[in-house]
Amino acid sequence: DTGVSQDPRHKITKRGQNVTFRCDPISEHNRLYWYRQTLGQGPEFLTYFQNEAQLEKSRLLSDRFSAERPKGSFSTLEIQRTEQGDSAMYLCASSLGAGTDTEAFFGQGTRLTVV
Amino acid sequence: QQQVKQSPQSLIVQKGGISIINCAYENTAFDYFPWYQQFPGKGPALLIAIRPDVSEKKEGRFTISFNKSAKQFSLHIMDSQPGDSATYFCAAESFGNEKLTFGTGTRLTIIP
Repeated sequence: DTGVSQDPRHKITKRGQNVTFRCDPISEHNRLYWYRQTLGQGPEFLTYFQNEAQLEKSRLLSDRFSAERPKGSFSTLEIQRTEQGDSAMYLCASSLGAGTDTEAFFGQGTRLTVV
Repeated sequence: QQQVKQSPQSLIVQKGGISIINCAYENTAFDYFPWYQQFPGKGPALLIAIRPDVSEKKEGRFTISFNKSAKQFSLHIMDSQPGDSATYFCAAESFGNEKLTFGTGTRLTIIP
């Protein structure tokens, strides 16, 4: 499968625990995005990377959230001290970037449930 | 502030009919308008996209109509099929600020 891959697909965690999600983008894509989607809503932008550089972070991304993309390949999104309000689908997307083909390809997401 | 407003929230269309979903945007800097299709438990998948230099784009049964002066765009699905039953999201993006702003989604159901 050459699409965007996310792991795990589902995560149930207790409030206060830390969780980490992984995203493997399409191999030649230099841009990687994280979005959050709650039930009945469209995805909301969280952050994006151009290669290994994190270029923008949404105000939605509190200081409990951190994202990395070492070596410009896969990315991780960590949520510390999870809260029930963090329950959502976390989507990763990748694209070739501006000026070329800006089509963003999404992974299947990681569904987080905080109990 | 919701920058992309989408309607209706849900839509039921008979098989073979035309499904129409509308979106309106506020930010005149937006210059790329994609539509995404999402099935339950899956990530959104790009269906069709348009840039504001054209007023219409057609790909198979799917057509985007774009009205720059009204800041509106719509998705038309011709000859709607049960397999089209999904949630559809419009989105917008501006060059130099490459992140998608999504609408709230339309849950489309095609009935036999």
